Amino acid sequence: RKEVEQDPGPFNVPEGATVAFNCTYSNSASQSFFWYRQDCRKEPKLLMSVYSSGNEDGRFTAQLNRASQYISLLIRDSKLSDSATYLCVVGDTGRRALTFGSGTRLQVQP
Amino acid sequence: SQTIHQWPATLVQPVGSPLSLECTVEGTSNPNLYWYRQAAGRGLQLLFYSVGIGQISSEVPQNLSASRPQDRQFILSSKKLLLSDSGFYLCAWSMDHVLGYTFGSGTRLTVV
Repeated sequence: RKEVEQDPGPFNVPEGATVAFNCTYSNSASQSFFWYRQDCRKEPKLLMSVYSSGNEDGRFTAQLNRASQYISLLIRDSKLSDSATYLCVVGDTGRRALTFGSGTRLQVQP
Repeated sequence: SQTIHQWPATLVQPVGSPLSLECTVEGTSNPNLYWYRQAAGRGLQLLFYSVGIGQISSEVPQNLSASRPQDRQFILSSKKLLLSDSGFYLCAWSMDHVLGYTFGSGTRLTVV
């Protein structure tokens, strides 16, 4: 079983749509959670951290369910510029490094 | 502010040739440093990480090595490249990995 699992997609959605990505992680001791965005042939960039109570940043909402070991990212009112691969990332103090999912590709269409 | 520099941006090397990729961080002291590789269409694989000068932890056995000769310098090397070494190599830094990373712009290596 992979440590961090994501649906690879692609998710093809029209502009203005709401889209949700899910991610599961296997290590119950994980303590930090992030969503990164990676554009084609570019480095990943931090989109947002994920907090236990859930958090929102503009059109983006992240949720964490520790009991189910599940993280989600919701994007409202999708823009063409949201087209990218979204990486689910998990960290635990024992390993001293982050573990990345393989990513979910989003394509927003006009 | 902190910045991370990685070079070269692209590299084409023949099989059996040596490799040296360099990463430097500015604006911080004693960062944690990481090397990841991303094969085409795949996820990020942790190769090495370092929590201080001369301290290197290897995640996977392979023909690559890493060194940290200075606090803010991290080098990835190979004596003889294999075709399977092709990929997108990313350096990252963090003061504590639970705070997330900042990545360099990456080196796209093609071994021919």
